[in-house]
Amino acid sequence: GAVVSQHPSRVICKSGTSVKIECRSLDFQATTMFWYRQFPKQSLMLMATSNEGSKATYEQGVEKDKFLINHASLTLSTLTVTSAHPEDSSFYICSAWRDIAYEQYFGPGTRLTVT
Amino acid sequence: AQSVSQHNHHVILSEAASLELGCNYSYGGTVNLFWYVQYPGQHLQLLLKYFSGDPLVKGIKGFEAEFIKSKFSFNLRKPSVQWSDTAEYFCAVMDGLTGGGNKLTFGTGTQLKVEL
Repeated sequence: GAVVSQHPSRVICKSGTSVKIECRSLDFQATTMFWYRQFPKQSLMLMATSNEGSKATYEQGVEKDKFLINHASLTLSTLTVTSAHPEDSSFYICSAWRDIAYEQYFGPGTRLTVT
Repeated sequence: AQSVSQHNHHVILSEAASLELGCNYSYGGTVNLFWYVQYPGQHLQLLLKYFSGDPLVKGIKGFEAEFIKSKFSFNLRKPSVQWSDTAEYFCAVMDGLTGGGNKLTFGTGTQLKVEL
């Protein structure tokens, strides 16, 4: 089956610093990737849609200047959390849209802790 | 805007018991419906999906779901659960029309625990 990876799986950073999370589709090309945030015991909240070669589309209430998304190639999207604060601590999950299967394939997630 | 409700937040069953997890959505247009499972420490995996046709959809690992349009529901079922089914289950809805951006709206999830 289609595989999506995320790196790193866990990251701890200090308040005020930036952290980059990578999402890769390993065996298929994805023109569209999605970034979600999942709080403990809660559902996945869509943050933004990442489109290869164009600007990301952010959901209402998501700060685009804080959560920078770059879809540099058909297999890689990155999420950079800028000037991180403790309230940004969360589980971030990406997914990649596979046209042929008409579904999203999910990465394993990245646990971000901001101290 | 779409919304998805999963009424059961925590379900505990004994092995071999039957399972039904509720999922209701609010959206007046054409929808595509999904059930995902998240095993402890693992990524979300697709159990089954419905786009059109037979409203009774069969998925992996013995799961099935029935789309009832009049009730805006897409409940997940399994006749006999196993301990290995312990996981979190998410219902999700996608706008079925082109231009919807293939975005998913997730329900809050149901934590299923199967006891031996």
